[in-house]
Amino acid sequence: AQTVTQSQPEMSVQEAETVTLSCTYDTSENNYYLFWYKQPPSRQMILVIRQEAYKQQNATENRFSVNFQKAAKSFSLKISDSQLGDTAMYFCAFMNSFGNEKLTFGTGTRLTIIP
Amino acid sequence: KAGVTQTPRYLIKTRGQQVTLSCSPISGHRSVSWYQQTPGQGLQFLFEYFSETQRNKGNFPGRFSGRQFSNSRSEMNVSTLELGDSALYLCASSPVGTGGETQYFGPGTRLLVL
Repeated sequence: AQTVTQSQPEMSVQEAETVTLSCTYDTSENNYYLFWYKQPPSRQMILVIRQEAYKQQNATENRFSVNFQKAAKSFSLKISDSQLGDTAMYFCAFMNSFGNEKLTFGTGTRLTIIP
Repeated sequence: KAGVTQTPRYLIKTRGQQVTLSCSPISGHRSVSWYQQTPGQGLQFLFEYFSETQRNKGNFPGRFSGRQFSNSRSEMNVSTLELGDSALYLCASSPVGTGGETQYFGPGTRLLVL
């Protein structure tokens, strides 16, 4: 079974700074998908970024980028120029590429942006 | 397009009762997944439906069940509620639920069991 580990329960950073959230996973599959979701206080889960394992290029979405290291099974999220609206729980998630379409989530990192 | 909607948003029940939660996916999406979120267990997969058929099921007791209608709307039911069923129940939809499609989440239903 796949597992996802987020080793940083809480982080805080000053507004406008850069922060990196860590995520490691364990799988025997070669092809899969990785996601970062954000859950603000409203509890709505919002997709931040998505990475296909077969793509070597790291995904980017505006201020959000990932560092995907397939051999190390590592998938970190970098938030540049952090904003107050980035304050939220961030979940790393794994999905197989076939059959079972469930998301396996990590335990989350609570990120606080300090004004 | 309208997002995933869930009703009701909040619910209070007592032990032993049953509850039904509803989820309407994004228009055109045919796969609906359900997740339970609790402080102790985190986010756990309940089940996934596609074309009115349950394709995948998580490790939950038989008290948890679901169904999907021909318009892709889905319901989940929890019978004989226990205190530990208090949680945020999240529904997510995707077009066909294959090939690593992104799942889009609804706002959730917060269930409190007293």
